[in-house]
Amino acid sequence: AQSVTQPDARVTVSEGASLQLRCKYSYSGTPYLFWYVQYPRQGLQLLLKYYSGDPVVQGVNGFEAEFSKSNSSFHLRKASVHWSDSAVYFCVLSPYGSSGNKLIFGIGTLLSVKP
Amino acid sequence: GPKVLQIPSHQIIDMGQMVTLNCDPVSNHLYFYWYKQILGQQMEFLVNFYNGKVMEKSKLFKDQFSVERPDGSYFTLKIQPTALEDSAVYFCASSLAGTEYEQYFGPGTRLTVL
Repeated sequence: AQSVTQPDARVTVSEGASLQLRCKYSYSGTPYLFWYVQYPRQGLQLLLKYYSGDPVVQGVNGFEAEFSKSNSSFHLRKASVHWSDSAVYFCVLSPYGSSGNKLIFGIGTLLSVKP
Repeated sequence: GPKVLQIPSHQIIDMGQMVTLNCDPVSNHLYFYWYKQILGQQMEFLVNFYNGKVMEKSKLFKDQFSVERPDGSYFTLKIQPTALEDSAVYFCASSLAGTEYEQYFGPGTRLTVL
């Protein structure tokens, strides 16, 4: 079965601190992996994507993620968070070759950044 | 960046009524999607639409659901009749041909069925 697990429903960090949001996926084939962010009252925005190649991918606003096939993980990181990073972050899997291009979502992690 | 709009943002209706959720996708996108998120649960894929046809639908896409995009206007999700379990936030998304996995999402329509 294909699934995405985000074990932390809520993460709180202080402004300027480093951040890691965890994501584990379950899929036996080649995964396409994404992180989306949702700010209040807005649509989901693509933060970064991984298709193949270098396991560390860079995204917008200083975010990066590292793909690990052995651990079935795709954790999101940022060296120094800003209060404006407060949002819900979704880890997303797309099974390569799925006819409908469907996305499989994790439940999301609510990030709160304390000033 | 490109924006997907959804109208209305919130809809309250009585069980058994019909409802139409509207999505204004990014103008040059050709693939359209609906996802459903029940409060506290994961967002789940409902349906994918391309070239006037449903390409794939999930088991959540019941017979009471239908989608269409007549003549390049809104991409719509119609539910007729509605049931209590249809209460959720419905997200529309669109993508370009060639980069179908990079989907642009709207802010969602919160549907409440009483």
